[in-house]
Amino acid sequence: AQSVTQPDIHITVSEGASLELRCNYSYGATPYLFWYVQSPGQGLQLLLKYFSGDTLVQGIKGFEAEFKRSQSSFNLRKPSVHWSDAAEYFCAVGTLSGGYNKLIFGAGTRLAVHP
Amino acid sequence: GAVVSQHPSWVICKSGTSVKIECRSLDFQATTMFWYRQFPKQSLMLMATSNEGSKATYEQGVEKDKFLINHASLTLSTLTVTSAHPEDSSFYICSARTGDNQPQHFGDGTRLSIL
Repeated sequence: AQSVTQPDIHITVSEGASLELRCNYSYGATPYLFWYVQSPGQGLQLLLKYFSGDTLVQGIKGFEAEFKRSQSSFNLRKPSVHWSDAAEYFCAVGTLSGGYNKLIFGAGTRLAVHP
Repeated sequence: GAVVSQHPSWVICKSGTSVKIECRSLDFQATTMFWYRQFPKQSLMLMATSNEGSKATYEQGVEKDKFLINHASLTLSTLTVTSAHPEDSSFYICSARTGDNQPQHFGDGTRLSIL
C-alpha cells in the first residue's frame, strides 16, 4: 500500500542553522513527490515537487530536496533557517488509485525556530 | 499564479444547520478539485475528489449524503455539510489542479465550529 512516513513529529533548530526534514515513501511505481508548508490556520503552500529528471530539486524560500530512489526518500533541506520558517511541513506522494490521481500525505513535521 | 480562494474562512453555526463552503480557482481552470479534512495537529485526510461536470468520488468512510460536493464549473467547487453536528467541527481545506499529476494548489481553509 502507498504510504508516506515523516519520522520526526517535532524539530527545533536555531535560527541560521541548517535543516533537514526526513520523508520516506512506499509506492510501487515512479513517484511524484511534493513538499508543502502550512502556517497555523492556513492552507498549504507548495515548496517544491519532483516528477522526473534531476534528483536534486530546488524550491521556493531557499528549500531544496533530493530524491533517492534506493532509499525511497525525499528529504527536504535548507542551509540556513529563518525564524519565519517555523511552520508545519508535509511530504506527499502522488498516487494513482481507483483510476485517478491523488495525494497521500505524511503526518507532518512541526518546525520550531529558536532565535 | 495558481491561486485558490476558499470562503468562508471561519463559520460558527448551530447544530442541525447546513453549511456551504466554496472553493474557487481564481487564475486557472481546475479540472479536478479535492476536499480535505484536518483535525488539530494532524495531517490532511482526503474526503473526496471532484471532477468538473461529474459526480464526486468519495473516500472510504466518508458519508456522501453528509458531505455534498458540487463541481459545476472549472473554477468552482462547493462542499455542503448537511445537518451539521459538533463532531463535524474541523478544518476543511480544498485544493485544485489543472491536470493529472500536476501539483495541487490549496485554499486557506475553512474552520467550521458547530455549537
